[in-house]
Amino acid sequence: AAGVIQSPRHLIKEKRETATLKCYPIPRHDTVYWYQQGPGQDPQFLISFYEKMQSDKGSIPDRFSAQQFSDYHSELNMSSLELGDSALYFCASSTGTTTSNEQFFGPGTRLTVL
Amino acid sequence: AQSVTQLDSQVPVFEEAPVELRCNYSSSVSVYLFWYVQYPNQGLQLLLKYLSGSTLVKGINGFEAEFNKSQTSFHLRKPSVHISDTAEYFCAVIRTSYGKLTFGQGTILTVHP
Repeated sequence: AAGVIQSPRHLIKEKRETATLKCYPIPRHDTVYWYQQGPGQDPQFLISFYEKMQSDKGSIPDRFSAQQFSDYHSELNMSSLELGDSALYFCASSTGTTTSNEQFFGPGTRLTVL
Repeated sequence: AQSVTQLDSQVPVFEEAPVELRCNYSSSVSVYLFWYVQYPNQGLQLLLKYLSGSTLVKGINGFEAEFNKSQTSFHLRKPSVHISDTAEYFCAVIRTSYGKLTFGQGTILTVHP
């Protein structure tokens, strides 16, 4: 069965650079969630989209922005990168905003900021 | 707001022994409860979830969890673990109305031969 695809899987950037993470949800899933998992930390919710509109916002820095496109894929744009942004970034997808619907997680993008 | 506390950061056990990973939550509103597993360098995989109904929930890989409303707990159990169960396990909650998953700090289960 098709799963959530994230690209790239690994990304190395310098401080103050920008990064773009991409997420391709499972076909027919219309909701995308982004989570950040720092080293040894639990995943923290960043932002979510339903039908191309932002549906919820968590602890996402102002330096980050995200959007969901007409084909439902989503991109997380990160600017002025800081060392503390080094983390595993997960994307998850589901159908609709009913919270009982399972969120299927992608393998994550590991971002390292040097 | 809701919060999740996993009472053990690391649990070492021997193969074929039983295991319990403890999770307590607090919330002022109704929530759904989940357990996810994360194998090294992989994403999160859903083990099981409690939405309503029977408080004993069975999941994949022989795991089960019991929802206890009075104690606000959702402990994960397996009667006999395998080496392949070595992973990090996350308890999570989500509001029944809307919102995002809130995770606990994770429990690293290490199964020794």
